[in-house]
Amino acid sequence: QQQVKQSPQSLIVQKGGISIINCAYENTAFDYFPWYQQFPGKGPALLIAIRPDVSEKKEGRFTISFNKSAKQFSLHIMDSQPGDSATYFCAAIGIVGTASKLTFGTGTRLQVTL
Amino acid sequence: DAGITQSPRHKVTETGTPVTLRCHQTENHRYMYWYRQDPGHGLRLIHYSYGVKDTDKGEVSDGYSVSRSKTEDFLLTLESATSSQTSVYFCAIRIRTGADGYGYTFGSGTRLTVV
Repeated sequence: QQQVKQSPQSLIVQKGGISIINCAYENTAFDYFPWYQQFPGKGPALLIAIRPDVSEKKEGRFTISFNKSAKQFSLHIMDSQPGDSATYFCAAIGIVGTASKLTFGTGTRLQVTL
Repeated sequence: DAGITQSPRHKVTETGTPVTLRCHQTENHRYMYWYRQDPGHGLRLIHYSYGVKDTDKGEVSDGYSVSRSKTEDFLLTLESATSSQTSVYFCAIRIRTGADGYGYTFGSGTRLTVV
């Protein structure tokens, strides 16, 4: 049972284009939604995060859009660059059982072409 | 990376042998986590710890045990390694990220191959 569903699995975007990755969640106990970026051979690194009481958050070329009623959120990468080529994971954090837990989506492999 | 060290970085082991992976942090964080990463599954939580000697199971805990005898070290043990446990293992700590909330910082991972 995947609590955080992510799509697409892979994405190819031309340099300068917009990359869009979508996620949906099930558990209403989640109260914080980070995005992680992972390069080959490295651990995931926090990119940007949002709380559910905010509909949009922007940091540089990266924007999260959040729709609480639909339980959906998305990452937009504006003016995509070859250096953005990586795997992106959406995630959700919430108290499940006895402690805070981070639940990941399945990942999107982004390739930005010249 | 933010004071997290995983060891070893790579390991090849035989089916049926016990294996222990180590996660060491230098910043006295309370929460520590072990994840495994497999294609098509993202990262899945194996076990976590919310203090010394306080641990609990994640979603894929079968075949794994953990121990945390001091704040800085969180050990993951595969009691009898199987080929299905071939994976990349990541340790993480939970940190404050200012007034906005908190985040998780990950180590560089351990690539484990069970043959």
